[in-house]
Parts: sequence; structure tokens; C-alpha cells
Amino acid sequence: ELKVEQNPLFLSMQEGKNYTIYCNYSTTSDRLYWYRQDPGKSLESLFVLLSNGAVKQEGRLMASLDTKARLSTLHITAAVHDLSATYFCAVNNYGGSQGNLIFGKGTKLSVKP
Amino acid sequence: DGGITQSPKYLFRKEGQNVTLSCEQNLNHDAMYWYRQDPGQGLRLIYYSQIVNDFQKGDIAEGYSVSREKKESFPLTVTSAQKNPTAFYLCASSRPRAWDYGYTFGSGTRLTVV
Repeated sequence: ELKVEQNPLFLSMQEGKNYTIYCNYSTTSDRLYWYRQDPGKSLESLFVLLSNGAVKQEGRLMASLDTKARLSTLHITAAVHDLSATYFCAVNNYGGSQGNLIFGKGTKLSVKP
Repeated sequence: DGGITQSPKYLFRKEGQNVTLSCEQNLNHDAMYWYRQDPGQGLRLIYYSQIVNDFQKGDIAEGYSVSREKKESFPLTVTSAQKNPTAFYLCASSRPRAWDYGYTFGSGTRLTVV
């Protein structure tokens, strides 16, 4: 059974600092997805990583995928308050019985001045 | 514009009552999903459907029912057997296997028991 673990689950940062959120998964998969959820809102797609070594950047966020290590990272550069949200990673569950994507528990990011 | 629409945005249920949450998509996606999210928690899969007239239970299907009579629609009924239904419910859709695109989510329905 595919398991997806994120850490940390809670992250309090100061504005201007850098930090990384980690997403580990337990079985082979070559695709990984990052979503953002603002309080009380739905999930918005941030990045779709489709191969080993894939790197995508949008503003102060950069996501990467290492399929051999079964690890994705979401790096935050010079955090600003607007980045405060919960970030979920999700992994493809090829042939699995629980739908197509398995989600991590989410990382709640709080950026303070 | 294509998208996925959930209604209502807020729903109140009395004890012992069944309620139905609507999910409609015009993205021509084959697969649709229902998730439950409790405060401060992740997503838990309730039901999913890969094609019309077929659906499978997820991790927490007890107390819920679904139908998939049309490709565009995947309504979720929260039955009186669900003892703690207060939560945020999210519907999602995807192309077959969702491999290259992931899911598209609706805006959610917040259900409260009164």
C-alpha cells in the first residue's frame, strides 16, 4: 500500500527566511503533485512533476522530484505572509485501489512578520 | 470556462436526516472523487468513480452513498448512519488515471449538524 509522508506538518517561519518541506513516499512512482489550500478554501494545483529530476519554480516556490529516493521537496525562498497556507503533496497510485492519487497529511505553513 | 462545481457551499443537517451534496463537472473527465476534510486534517477518500455507472469505496465510505448516472455528475448522500458528518467535503475530477495532470478540485461544501 502506497503511503505518503510530509514533514514537517506544521511550520512557522519568519518573513524573508528560507525553508524546505519534504514529501516521502513508499513505493515506486514517477509523478508527484503539489497543492495549496488556503483556510476554508479548496485545493489549488501548484506543480505537476512528471519525471525523475523534474524541477519547477513559481515565484518563491520551487519543487523537485527524486524518484530514486522517493522524495520531493518544496523549497520556499524569502518567505512572505501571502505564502501562509497548507501545502499537500500527492503521488500517483498506479493500479491501486484507493483512487489515482494518494495525498500526504499536509504541511501548515505560517509566515510571520 | 470548464470547471467543477459543488453546491451548496454551506449545508446544515438535522439529526437523523439524509442530505445530498452536488458535484458537477464540465471538463469531460472520466474519474470523480469525494473527500472529507476535518479541521486541521488531511484528505480522506470517501468514494471514487472511474467511469459512469461504476464506483468504489474509499477509506471512510460507511454512512455515505453515491451514484454516477452521468459522466458530469457525482452526487454524495450523507445518510443518518454517518454519526459525525460535520466536515468540509471536497469533490475532484481527473482524466483517466490522472497521471499527467492530477486532480481538479471543486470549491467544497461545508456540512454542519445542527
